[in-house]
Amino acid sequence: GAVVSQHPSRVICKSGTSVKIECRSLDFQATTMFWYRQFPKQSLMLMATSNEGSKATYEQGVEKDKFLINHASLTLSTLTVTSAHPEDSSFYICSARDGRRDTGELFFGEGSRLTVL
Amino acid sequence: GQNIDQPTEMTATEGAIVQINCTYQTSGFNGLFWYQQHAGEAPTFLSYNVLDGLEEKGRFSSFLSRSKGYSYLLLKELQMKDSASYLCAVMDSNYQLIWGAGTKLIIKP
Repeated sequence: GAVVSQHPSRVICKSGTSVKIECRSLDFQATTMFWYRQFPKQSLMLMATSNEGSKATYEQGVEKDKFLINHASLTLSTLTVTSAHPEDSSFYICSARDGRRDTGELFFGEGSRLTVL
Repeated sequence: GQNIDQPTEMTATEGAIVQINCTYQTSGFNGLFWYQQHAGEAPTFLSYNVLDGLEEKGRFSSFLSRSKGYSYLLLKELQMKDSASYLCAVMDSNYQLIWGAGTKLIIKP
């Protein structure tokens, strides 16, 4: 099946710094990528939908200036958490859809656990 | 509003069969997914149903009834490694995934 690689898997940073998380589709072209956040004991929450070459679409309540998403190529999307605070500590997961197959199936990255001190 | 309901927690015995139900109310329907998630890990894809009926994949099967807004995931010959959360998700008319809160499945020896 298609593979999505997410990096880093774990990151610890100081409050006020910025952190970048990468999401790569390794063997397919991902025209659309999704970014999710999961707090402990809660379901995945969609943060934004990222389309290659255009601005991301953010869900209500998600600050676009704080969570910068860039989808510059068909195989890479990045999420940058700017001026991170302890409440941003969470599990961030990306997923991608294979534009050629379009079965609706989503392929997930391994997830990135962010801890802000 | 959009809503996905599934039980919070279920317990089953190793070697037995368990059925996890999911009911949904969404704006449009473009398929229903079941994902397995072990604690601290990303979800892994189990099944996708877009037409009514039963889809079988080894020990796991998934059923869909669109008219009833209902699906279930059936796990047979349970193994200890099947202890995980099982997430039901529906893709709505905008191709957004609406997630249930997940069912924590506990397998006892």
